[in-house]
Amino acid sequence: QKEVEQNSGPLSVPEGAIASLNCTYSDRVSQSFFWYRQYSGKSPELIMSIYSNGDKEDGRFTAQLNKASQYVSLLIRDSQPSDSATYLCAVSTSGTYKYIFGTGTRLKVLA
Amino acid sequence: GAVVSQHPSWVICKSGTSVKIECRSLDFQATTMFWYRQFPKQSLMLMATSNEGSKATYEQGVEKDKFLINHASLTLSTLTVTSAHPEDSSFYICSAPRGGPDTQYFGPGTRLTVL
Repeated sequence: QKEVEQNSGPLSVPEGAIASLNCTYSDRVSQSFFWYRQYSGKSPELIMSIYSNGDKEDGRFTAQLNKASQYVSLLIRDSQPSDSATYLCAVSTSGTYKYIFGTGTRLKVLA
Repeated sequence: GAVVSQHPSWVICKSGTSVKIECRSLDFQATTMFWYRQFPKQSLMLMATSNEGSKATYEQGVEKDKFLINHASLTLSTLTVTSAHPEDSSFYICSAPRGGPDTQYFGPGTRLTVL
């Protein structure tokens, strides 16, 4: 059974702090990794994709991938109250487009 | 802007009736689309893969006769929940691939409530 695991949270951070979200996956052949943000009652929106080991930065967001440890993380710098949402980690085997989602981590940024 | 649309955004129906949900790719063609279901406080679960010009493929445990999928054109897939029951009440979300490897964009979702 292929699994993607996330701490459900809530993870509470003060405004302006760095929020660190983690995700582990079980299938070693996974090659594509995604972070989605989902506000309550809404569908997920893509924040970052990462395919290679290392860091990938986009604005306040940095995704980190370590395939040897089967671990992917998302850092949010200068967290804002508007970042409060559930963050979903999704994993895919290349070319399949079939995602396995984690259960999501609920982030609360306190003003 | 949105790249995938869904209609309706919410629907309430009586038990035993059928409900059709549309998923459209905007300004791009999608030979494959995906249907997910999300129950409250749970993650998205893939239900089926919609394939233009061929039958949909369903994930294990999803009843194909209950959840009918038709990929009518390169921009439209429909999901029909037949003989809906209260346990089918959920948030149904479609997605279509676009852009980078395996990248999917999600529609806004359809909230189904079966009374």
